[in-house]
Amino acid sequence: GENVEQHPSTLSVQEGDSAVIKCTYSDSASNYFPWYKQELGKRPQLIIDIRSNVGEKKDQRIAVTLNKTAKHFSLHITETQPEDSAVYFCAASISGYSTLTFGKGTMLLVSP
Amino acid sequence: DGGITQSPKYLFRKEGQNVTLSCEQNLNHDAMYWYRQDPGQGLRLIYYSQIVNDFQKGDIAEGYSVSREKKESFPLTVTSAQKNPTAFYLCASKRDTLNPGNTIYFGEGSWLTVV
Repeated sequence: GENVEQHPSTLSVQEGDSAVIKCTYSDSASNYFPWYKQELGKRPQLIIDIRSNVGEKKDQRIAVTLNKTAKHFSLHITETQPEDSAVYFCAASISGYSTLTFGKGTMLLVSP
Repeated sequence: DGGITQSPKYLFRKEGQNVTLSCEQNLNHDAMYWYRQDPGQGLRLIYYSQIVNDFQKGDIAEGYSVSREKKESFPLTVTSAQKNPTAFYLCASKRDTLNPGNTIYFGEGSWLTVV
């Protein structure tokens, strides 16, 4: 089955810096890659996603890049703010299958 | 997101007890899921259902059981066979079972603690 590795497990940055979280996946058939943000004690919420026919996608301060050849994708957050502090999960899914496989998460801490 | 309701939010289980976590959705979604979340372990799939009266085991199904008698409901029973049930449980749903691009939405979660 699919395996998703996520790094780093924790990331501390100063407010205004950029943050990058990286994920690799094992199954070359995977073609959908969402990112979820989970604040403490709350549900994960989708913040951005990308499909395998696109190399990059941006939404304001958030961007995701995908390298299909290397089987890795990354989340980029620019101009970080304290409210960006949360756990971020990457995930991968294969077309025709119902389930998502998640990475183990990255705890992002943004210090004022 | 607001269309998935989990209850109870907090639950305490005694040794040897079975407990059932409720999950109801009014989004008319076909697929429903149960995930378990432990610190540092991410989200691990317990069971999922793509259609009424059918469900499949996920990666960590041992000690759990589910039913899908109605499209809107997907309760999870944590049995006494689950030796380490203390965790945060998340129910989720998705509109189209086979389209990977459809978003999975999560409920608020249920905290289960063994006492």
